Amino acid sequence: RKEVEQDPGPFNVPEGATVAFNCTYSNSASQSFFWYRQDCRKEPKLLMSVYSSGNEDGRFTAQLNRASQYISLLIRDSKLSDSATYLCVLTGFQKLVFGTGTRLLVSP
Amino acid sequence: GAVVSQHPSWVICKSGTSVKIECRSLDFQATTMFWYRQFPKQSLMLMATSNEGSKATYEQGVEKDKFLINHASLTLSTLTVTSAHPEDSSFYICSVKPGQGNSPLHFGNGTRLTVT
Repeated sequence: RKEVEQDPGPFNVPEGATVAFNCTYSNSASQSFFWYRQDCRKEPKLLMSVYSSGNEDGRFTAQLNRASQYISLLIRDSKLSDSATYLCVLTGFQKLVFGTGTRLLVSP
Repeated sequence: GAVVSQHPSWVICKSGTSVKIECRSLDFQATTMFWYRQFPKQSLMLMATSNEGSKATYEQGVEKDKFLINHASLTLSTLTVTSAHPEDSSFYICSVKPGQGNSPLHFGNGTRLTVT
C-alpha cells in the first residue's frame, strides 16, 4: 500500500460548486499534515495546515481524521482560479511524503 | 516575500553539458534542503536530501554521481546535473523546512531544464 494516496482526478466542476478531496495515509505515526496547491509549471504553494479540530480559511476547510487515517479539503463556491493540482503532504520523523495530487478543473 | 530563492528559473542546454541549479534560503538558516524532480503530469519525486557540511542522502534510483549536491553553507545548496541528456529534462524544485515540528515546507520557484 502506498504511504499516501490521492485520487488523481481530474475533478471537473462548475463555478460555484462545492468540491471535496480526500487523502489517505498508511503510517499512523505521521505527525503533521498540509495541503499544497500547485499550478501548472509552478512550484507547490502552501494552502493550509490540517488539524484534527479542523480549520477553515475562507472558502477552504481542512480536516484530519486520525482514526480513519485521512485528511480532507473542502472548497466552497469554487472559482475559476481554484483550478490547480492539490497535493497532500505528511511529515513525521524527519520524513516528508507527498501525495500524487488531485487535479481540479473549474469551468464557467 | 519569498522564503526560498532558486536560480535559474529555466535553462536550455546541449547534451553532455552540466547544469548547476542554486537554492538559497533567504530568511533562515537551513541545515537541510530537499531536491525534487517533476516530470510532466507526474507528482513530485524526492531526489535527495541535502545536508549542510555532510554528504547528501539520495533516494533509491537517483545516481549520486550524476546529480551532484553541494550544501556548503547554511543558506545555499546546489544541484549539478552532470553530462545532461534529454531524459534529464524536467522541472527541478528545492525546498526547505524551517525549524522542527509542524512547520511546513517552503519551495523554491523551480527550474525548468530542457536538454537538447
